[in-house]
Amino acid sequence: QKEVEQDPGPLSVPEGAIVSLNCTYSNSAFQYFMWYRQYSRKGPELLMYTYSSGNKEDGRFTAQVDKSSKYISLFIRDSQPSDSATYLCAMRGAGEYGNKLVFGAGTILRVKS
Amino acid sequence: DAGVIQSPRHEVTEMGQEVTLRCKPISGHDYLFWYRQTMMRGLELLIYFNNNVPIDDSGMPEDRFSAKMPNASFSTLKIQPSEPRDSAVYFCASSLSDGGGSYEQYFGPGTRLTVT
Repeated sequence: QKEVEQDPGPLSVPEGAIVSLNCTYSNSAFQYFMWYRQYSRKGPELLMYTYSSGNKEDGRFTAQVDKSSKYISLFIRDSQPSDSATYLCAMRGAGEYGNKLVFGAGTILRVKS
Repeated sequence: DAGVIQSPRHEVTEMGQEVTLRCKPISGHDYLFWYRQTMMRGLELLIYFNNNVPIDDSGMPEDRFSAKMPNASFSTLKIQPSEPRDSAVYFCASSLSDGGGSYEQYFGPGTRLTVT
């Protein structure tokens, strides 16, 4: 079993829809949770970062972490064609686990205009 | 800042040849990571360095792969001999351990390697 599970999609939605992207994980040592966005033929870029449990909002994007269920989500409101990309969740522990990130497989999102 | 710089952007080589990928991290960053991305396996961490010292190379697939970081501004990933199953996009990323917690990793544009 992988440490981080993410449905690869693809997920296709109409413009303006609310998008929900999710990851589950098995390592209870993970404390830092990130979402990276990767456009075609580009490197991943950090989109949002959350420490421990809770919600974080940034414009049309909301990240949620539920450590009790080992489940994280990214919501995109009023989705735009420019949001079409691959979204990768990533997470890491602290202390001895250092700066090593564990990535999900990535979900391909297509927003149709 | 120019960001993380990788070269070459594309490499096509024949099986058995030596391949060297190069990376220049963002100035001042003390961590450097090498990843490989394929459709089948996603983004895999191969090795990472802290202050030019390899910390974890458990992701390096086999002895054909080696990585060096001779100074703070340059790293190489070498594959010798290359095989068709090494075909992938190889990313270099760097980060700064500023104690803020996020340790955001900044990725380069990647090197697309094709081994025929």
